[in-house]
Amino acid sequence: AQTVTQSQPEMSVQEAETVTLSCTYDTSESNYYLFWYKQPPSRQMILVIRQEAYKQQNATENRFSVNFQKAAKSFSLKISDSQLGDTAMYFCAFMRVLGSARQLTFGSGTQLTVLP
Amino acid sequence: DTAVSQTPKYLVTQMGNDKSIKCEQNLGHDTMYWYKQDSKKFLKIMFSYNNKELIINETVPNRFSPKSPDKAHLNLHINSLELGDSAVYFCASSRSQTGLRLRVKLFFGSGTQLSVL
Repeated sequence: AQTVTQSQPEMSVQEAETVTLSCTYDTSESNYYLFWYKQPPSRQMILVIRQEAYKQQNATENRFSVNFQKAAKSFSLKISDSQLGDTAMYFCAFMRVLGSARQLTFGSGTQLTVLP
Repeated sequence: DTAVSQTPKYLVTQMGNDKSIKCEQNLGHDTMYWYKQDSKKFLKIMFSYNNKELIINETVPNRFSPKSPDKAHLNLHINSLELGDSAVYFCASSRSQTGLRLRVKLFFGSGTQLSVL
């Protein structure tokens, strides 16, 4: 079974600063995908960034980037130039592909607050 | 033109009642899911259907029964509601593959907040 651990229940950062959210996972699978999702107070689940395990290059999406360490099973999210709209719960998620199904296992989340 | 829509958004009901949550996607996806988010925000998969066939069935009480009339719809029926069923329920969908390209992105609905009194 896969497990995803987010050890920081809450974090805060000043607007325009950089923050890093931690995530570790445990799996015996060799082919998988990792995601960061954002859930603002509106409750909507928003995909922030995705990483394929077979790719060594770290994924980036504008102000969001990841540090993927496959051997260490670590997948942290860095948010640069933090904005007030980044305030949300952030979930790290592990996906394994089971035929046509994509099974996501989520971490417990990190509540990020961006301070003005 | 919402991609994955759930109804209702909020559902308040008494313990012991039976209720249903509906989900529809207009993305042409072939796989749909139900996830439960508890009061501590923990998200866990419940079910997954591919082309109306059940393919993931996690340890969920028999009171929960998913029904997929076609591949664009996946409804969740809950019998004899209990206090512990209070949660936010998310529907999601995905496409298995486009040509040779494996698709892995899930599209989530906006959730249904179920409150059992």
